[in-house]
Amino acid sequence: GENVEQHPSTLSVQEGDSAVIKCTYSDSASNYFPWYKQELGKRPQLIIDIRSNVGEKKDQRIAVTLNKTAKHFSLHITETQPEDSAVYFCAASIPGTASKLTFGTGTRLQVTL
Amino acid sequence: KAGVTQTPRYLIKTRGQQVTLSCSPISGHRSVSWYQQTPGQGLQFLFEYFSETQRNKGNFPGRFSGRQFSNSRSEMNVSTLELGDSALYLCASSPTGPNQPQHFGDGTRLSIL
Repeated sequence: GENVEQHPSTLSVQEGDSAVIKCTYSDSASNYFPWYKQELGKRPQLIIDIRSNVGEKKDQRIAVTLNKTAKHFSLHITETQPEDSAVYFCAASIPGTASKLTFGTGTRLQVTL
Repeated sequence: KAGVTQTPRYLIKTRGQQVTLSCSPISGHRSVSWYQQTPGQGLQFLFEYFSETQRNKGNFPGRFSGRQFSNSRSEMNVSTLELGDSALYLCASSPTGPNQPQHFGDGTRLSIL
Protein backbone atom coordinates (compact mmCIF):
# COMPACT_ATOMS: atom_id res chain seq x y z
CA GLY A 1 0.00 0.00 0.00
CA GLU A 2 0.88 3.66 -0.07
CA ASN A 3 3.44 4.97 2.42
CA VAL A 4 4.08 8.65 3.14
CA GLU A 5 7.15 9.91 4.96
CA GLN A 6 7.27 13.43 6.38
CA HIS A 7 10.21 15.53 7.59
CA PRO A 8 11.10 17.18 9.85
CA SER A 9 9.06 16.01 12.82
CA THR A 10 9.59 19.36 14.57
CA LEU A 11 10.47 22.73 13.15
CA SER A 12 11.11 25.97 14.98
CA VAL A 13 11.33 29.25 13.07
CA GLN A 14 11.34 32.90 14.00
CA GLU A 15 8.39 35.03 13.10
CA GLY A 16 8.77 36.34 9.57
CA ASP A 17 11.00 33.48 8.43
CA SER A 18 9.95 30.77 5.97
CA ALA A 19 9.15 27.17 6.85
CA VAL A 20 9.43 24.16 4.56
CA ILE A 21 8.00 20.70 5.25
CA LYS A 22 8.79 17.80 2.94
CA CYS A 23 6.99 14.57 2.15
CA THR A 24 7.76 11.59 -0.01
CA TYR A 25 5.31 8.96 -1.18
CA SER A 26 5.83 5.42 -2.37
CA ASP A 27 3.05 4.72 -4.88
CA SER A 28 3.78 6.39 -8.19
CA ALA A 29 0.07 6.18 -9.03
CA SER A 30 -0.79 8.69 -6.27
CA ASN A 31 -2.46 11.72 -7.79
CA TYR A 32 -3.90 13.83 -4.97
CA PHE A 33 -1.88 15.50 -2.20
CA PRO A 34 -3.60 17.58 0.49
CA TRP A 35 -2.04 19.35 3.46
CA TYR A 36 -3.80 19.72 6.79
CA LYS A 37 -3.12 21.97 9.77
CA GLN A 38 -4.15 20.75 13.20
CA GLU A 39 -4.04 23.07 16.18
CA LEU A 40 -4.02 21.58 19.65
CA GLY A 41 -7.36 20.01 20.48
CA LYS A 42 -8.90 20.96 17.15
CA ARG A 43 -9.87 19.25 13.92
CA PRO A 44 -7.43 18.88 11.01
CA GLN A 45 -8.12 21.73 8.58
CA LEU A 46 -7.36 21.52 4.90
CA ILE A 47 -5.02 24.38 4.01
CA ILE A 48 -4.02 23.54 0.45
CA ASP A 49 -4.04 20.62 -1.94
CA ILE A 50 -2.46 19.75 -5.26
CA ARG A 51 -3.26 17.27 -7.99
CA SER A 52 -0.71 15.39 -10.02
CA ASN A 53 -1.31 17.37 -13.19
CA VAL A 54 0.04 20.53 -11.50
CA GLY A 55 3.59 21.22 -10.33
CA GLU A 56 2.93 24.11 -7.97
CA LYS A 57 0.04 25.85 -6.30
CA LYS A 58 -0.01 29.02 -4.17
CA ASP A 59 -2.52 30.53 -1.81
CA GLN A 60 -1.30 33.76 -0.23
CA ARG A 61 1.58 32.79 2.12
CA ILE A 62 1.24 29.07 1.49
CA ALA A 63 2.54 27.12 -1.50
CA VAL A 64 2.87 23.46 -2.35
CA THR A 65 5.24 21.96 -4.92
CA LEU A 66 5.09 18.50 -6.44
CA ASN A 67 7.87 16.53 -8.09
CA LYS A 68 6.26 13.42 -9.55
CA THR A 69 9.52 11.98 -10.83
CA ALA A 70 11.10 12.04 -7.38
CA LYS A 71 7.78 11.36 -5.63
CA HIS A 72 8.26 14.41 -3.41
CA PHE A 73 5.93 17.19 -2.41
CA SER A 74 6.60 20.09 -0.09
CA LEU A 75 4.72 22.77 1.83
CA HIS A 76 6.20 26.26 1.93
CA ILE A 77 4.98 28.89 4.38
CA THR A 78 6.41 32.37 3.97
CA GLU A 79 6.38 35.27 6.45
CA THR A 80 5.43 32.94 9.27
CA GLN A 81 3.25 34.25 12.08
CA PRO A 82 2.65 32.90 15.61
CA GLU A 83 -0.79 31.65 14.52
CA ASP A 84 0.95 29.34 12.05
CA SER A 85 2.11 27.28 15.05
CA ALA A 86 0.42 23.88 14.76
CA VAL A 87 0.99 20.32 13.56
CA TYR A 88 1.00 19.97 9.78
CA PHE A 89 0.15 16.71 8.02
CA CYS A 90 0.74 15.80 4.41
CA ALA A 91 -1.30 13.07 2.76
CA ALA A 92 -1.62 11.20 -0.51
CA SER A 93 -4.20 9.11 -2.27
CA ILE A 94 -4.26 6.96 -5.38
CA PRO A 95 -6.84 7.12 -8.18
CA GLY A 96 -10.18 5.68 -7.29
CA THR A 97 -9.51 6.03 -3.56
CA ALA A 98 -9.46 9.81 -3.09
CA SER A 99 -11.28 9.42 0.20
CA LYS A 100 -8.67 7.00 1.49
CA LEU A 101 -5.87 9.31 2.53
CA THR A 102 -2.52 8.01 3.71
CA PHE A 103 -1.04 10.56 6.08
CA GLY A 104 2.49 11.47 6.99
CA THR A 105 3.50 11.45 10.64
CA GLY A 106 3.14 15.20 11.08
CA THR A 107 5.43 18.18 11.63
CA ARG A 108 5.11 20.31 14.73
CA LEU A 109 5.82 23.88 13.65
CA GLN A 110 6.60 26.45 16.30
CA VAL A 111 6.85 30.09 15.31
CA THR A 112 8.68 32.12 17.93
CA LEU A 113 8.56 35.87 18.41
CA LYS B 1 -23.08 25.56 5.61
CA ALA B 2 -22.72 23.61 8.81
CA GLY B 3 -19.54 21.60 9.08
CA VAL B 4 -19.07 17.94 9.85
CA THR B 5 -20.70 17.10 13.17
CA GLN B 6 -19.56 14.23 15.35
CA THR B 7 -21.24 12.97 18.48
CA PRO B 8 -20.47 12.41 21.24
CA ARG B 9 -17.32 14.49 21.74
CA TYR B 10 -16.04 12.35 24.59
CA LEU B 11 -16.66 8.77 25.65
CA ILE B 12 -15.29 6.62 28.43
CA LYS B 13 -15.74 2.87 28.18
CA THR B 14 -14.25 -0.22 29.74
CA ARG B 15 -12.57 -3.16 28.06
CA GLY B 16 -14.96 -5.58 26.42
CA GLN B 17 -17.74 -3.07 25.89
CA GLN B 18 -18.86 -1.81 22.51
CA VAL B 19 -19.35 1.75 21.30
CA THR B 20 -21.15 3.57 18.49
CA LEU B 21 -19.96 6.91 17.16
CA SER B 22 -21.99 9.16 14.89
CA CYS B 23 -21.07 11.51 12.07
CA SER B 24 -23.24 13.95 10.13
CA PRO B 25 -21.51 15.14 6.95
CA ILE B 26 -21.65 18.56 5.36
CA SER B 27 -24.94 18.98 3.54
CA GLY B 28 -24.66 17.56 0.03
CA HIS B 29 -21.58 15.45 0.78
CA ARG B 30 -22.19 11.78 0.12
CA SER B 31 -18.78 10.37 0.99
CA VAL B 32 -17.90 9.83 4.65
CA SER B 33 -14.52 8.52 5.79
CA TRP B 34 -13.39 7.55 9.27
CA TYR B 35 -9.88 7.86 10.70
CA GLN B 36 -8.24 6.89 13.97
CA GLN B 37 -5.70 9.33 15.42
CA THR B 38 -3.26 8.24 18.12
CA PRO B 39 0.08 9.72 19.24
CA GLY B 40 1.89 6.53 18.27
CA GLN B 41 0.29 5.63 14.94
CA GLY B 42 -0.82 9.05 13.72
CA LEU B 43 -3.81 9.33 11.42
CA GLN B 44 -4.94 6.00 10.02
CA PHE B 45 -7.76 5.34 7.58
CA LEU B 46 -10.52 3.04 8.84
CA PHE B 47 -13.11 2.98 6.05
CA GLU B 48 -15.15 5.07 3.66
CA TYR B 49 -18.84 4.97 2.87
CA PHE B 50 -20.55 6.31 -0.21
CA SER B 51 -24.24 5.91 -1.02
CA GLU B 52 -24.69 3.53 1.92
CA THR B 53 -21.92 1.20 0.65
CA GLN B 54 -18.45 0.67 2.03
CA ARG B 55 -16.20 1.78 -0.80
CA ASN B 56 -12.74 1.57 0.78
CA LYS B 57 -11.36 -0.15 3.83
CA GLY B 58 -8.18 0.23 5.88
CA ASN B 59 -6.22 -2.36 7.80
CA PHE B 60 -8.23 -2.61 10.99
CA PRO B 61 -9.71 -5.76 12.56
CA GLY B 62 -13.31 -6.74 12.02
CA ARG B 63 -14.21 -5.31 15.44
CA PHE B 64 -14.34 -1.98 13.65
CA SER B 65 -17.39 -1.61 11.46
CA GLY B 66 -19.54 1.13 10.06
CA ARG B 67 -22.60 1.96 8.10
CA GLN B 68 -24.15 4.84 6.26
CA PHE B 69 -27.76 5.85 6.09
CA SER B 70 -29.76 7.21 3.16
CA ASN B 71 -29.26 10.79 4.43
CA SER B 72 -25.45 10.21 4.30
CA ARG B 73 -25.08 10.20 8.08
CA SER B 74 -22.66 7.54 9.17
CA GLU B 75 -22.03 5.51 12.29
CA MET B 76 -18.96 3.65 13.37
CA ASN B 77 -19.06 0.74 15.79
CA VAL B 78 -16.25 -0.83 17.75
CA SER B 79 -16.98 -4.09 19.56
CA THR B 80 -15.04 -5.84 22.32
CA LEU B 81 -13.10 -2.70 23.15
CA GLU B 82 -9.40 -2.99 23.94
CA LEU B 83 -7.13 -0.54 25.76
CA GLY B 84 -5.38 0.16 22.45
CA ASP B 85 -8.61 1.49 20.96
CA SER B 86 -8.22 4.66 23.00
CA ALA B 87 -7.92 7.36 20.37
CA LEU B 88 -9.48 10.34 18.67
CA TYR B 89 -11.87 9.11 15.99
CA LEU B 90 -12.27 11.56 13.17
CA CYS B 91 -14.89 11.63 10.49
CA ALA B 92 -14.43 13.47 7.21
CA SER B 93 -16.86 14.17 4.40
CA SER B 94 -16.29 15.12 0.79
CA PRO B 95 -18.37 15.90 -2.27
CA THR B 96 -18.93 13.42 -5.07
CA GLY B 97 -16.22 13.20 -7.70
CA PRO B 98 -12.53 12.33 -7.97
CA ASN B 99 -9.93 13.99 -5.75
CA GLN B 100 -12.40 16.03 -3.76
CA PRO B 101 -11.11 17.63 -0.54
CA GLN B 102 -12.09 16.02 2.73
CA HIS B 103 -13.34 18.14 5.60
CA PHE B 104 -13.00 16.84 9.13
CA GLY B 105 -15.22 16.98 12.16
CA ASP B 106 -13.97 17.71 15.67
CA GLY B 107 -13.76 14.01 16.46
CA THR B 108 -14.84 11.75 19.29
CA ARG B 109 -12.26 11.21 22.02
CA LEU B 110 -12.65 7.58 23.15
CA SER B 111 -10.94 6.49 26.37
CA ILE B 112 -10.86 2.84 27.40
CA LEU B 113 -10.35 2.05 31.07
